[in-house]
Amino acid sequence: DGGITQSPKYLFRKEGQNVTLSCEQNLNHDAMYWYRQDPGQGLRLIYYSQIVNDFQKGDIAEGYSVSREKKESFPLTVTSAQKNPTAFYLCASTVGQNSNQPQHFGDGTRLSIL
Amino acid sequence: GNSVTQMEGPVTLSEEAFLTINCTYTATGYPSLFWYVQYPGEGLQLLLKATKADDKGSNKGFEATYRKETTSFHLEKGSVQVSDSAVYFCALSQAGTALIFGKGTTLSVSS
Repeated sequence: DGGITQSPKYLFRKEGQNVTLSCEQNLNHDAMYWYRQDPGQGLRLIYYSQIVNDFQKGDIAEGYSVSREKKESFPLTVTSAQKNPTAFYLCASTVGQNSNQPQHFGDGTRLSIL
Repeated sequence: GNSVTQMEGPVTLSEEAFLTINCTYTATGYPSLFWYVQYPGEGLQLLLKATKADDKGSNKGFEATYRKETTSFHLEKGSVQVSDSAVYFCALSQAGTALIFGKGTTLSVSS
């Protein structure tokens, strides 16, 4: 079955440490997205990518970085510059950003500070 | 810019009650509209969508009608079940922009 796989499901970060969240899709989708979810704030866009080797900042990109070296993979690094990283992170993909097709979501990664 | 406003929760209902979750949007042009559902500890699942004015999206007993005159896309279900307890997100998509979500509404259904 096609879908989006996020790993790990739970992740803990120490002070000053960078951590990387994995997102892999086998849907052959061009566009991929990272969202951060905090209680009562809905989903906020961190980064998105419409095509391999290209990505754009979303609304809250500070303290995060991404890469898109392969169509199926869009890892997110939470750097030590992100001072409040505790949140639920969701990865999504869609056929293409210029379409009105819905986004498909992974099951998320919950990041906490040790 | 584009935005989505949905009613704040939590919404607490008894089983078999009627559900309405209000959603209004601000957008130029003609966006597509979506309702997503999130069960505890999981990602978001598409519940239904509508891509043009007067379209009605429906799935699993839920319905929503794209009303351009009132810029609304309210979610309704005639008889909720305990298994419908979840967080519901209204969202809009417009060509060339990323999906924009409302803040979510928590629904709790008791038996």
